[in-house]
Amino acid sequence: EVQLVESGGGLVQPGGSLRLSCTASGFSFSTYSMNWVRQAPGKGLEWVSYISSSSRTIFYADSVKGRFTISRDNAKNSLYLQMNSLRDEDTAVYYCARDLGLPYSSSYDYWGQGTLVTVSS
Amino acid sequence: QSVLTQPPSASGTPGQRVTISCSGSSSNIGSSTVNWYHQLPGTAPKLLIYSNNQRPSGVPDRVSGSKSGTSASLAISGLQSEDEADYYCATWDDSLNGPVFGGGTKVTVL
Repeated sequence: EVQLVESGGGLVQPGGSLRLSCTASGFSFSTYSMNWVRQAPGKGLEWVSYISSSSRTIFYADSVKGRFTISRDNAKNSLYLQMNSLRDEDTAVYYCARDLGLPYSSSYDYWGQGTLVTVSS
Repeated sequence: QSVLTQPPSASGTPGQRVTISCSGSSSNIGSSTVNWYHQLPGTAPKLLIYSNNQRPSGVPDRVSGSKSGTSASLAISGLQSEDEADYYCATWDDSLNGPVFGGGTKVTVL
């Protein structure tokens, strides 16, 4: 059974940092591209970042570019999101999502349960 | 303001057919395939339709997707109480160089 489990969320002050993790199981993690998608409270979905299976290709949404860094460790079946210079508007549930693998797409076939990040003083 | 425009709400009685629209532009829907997700309250989104009209394993055939020009639609026939959820369309945007989502449509089963 495919499982994605996020961790690392919590309360952080504006300007602070947080590192999210996503641990995968039930599939060959090293062969899939992965994404982070977030959802602010009561709002819609927003794509945050993409990383290819080999980490060779990485994309970021303009809203987080220069502040967030996506990475992965295929040996540990883990995906990460390092978030620096956090702002109030970064408050959201952050989901890791497995990419279906279609080019230039937004198709994510498995999602984690999400981890809440709250940026507040 | 979302790049893709969806109606905020839609509703129907059990057994009816509900259609949700998703409107975009030539830089997104007009040049890429569309995916649909549904999300029950307090849970993670689930892929419902990919590549405009393909259903992942486990999604019933009463759910269908279509695309024409710069718009796409999701149809749910034989509406059931379990269909009450938020629905999002998504696609790639060439101008933004990344995936974009619609604002979401809340489907209510009356």
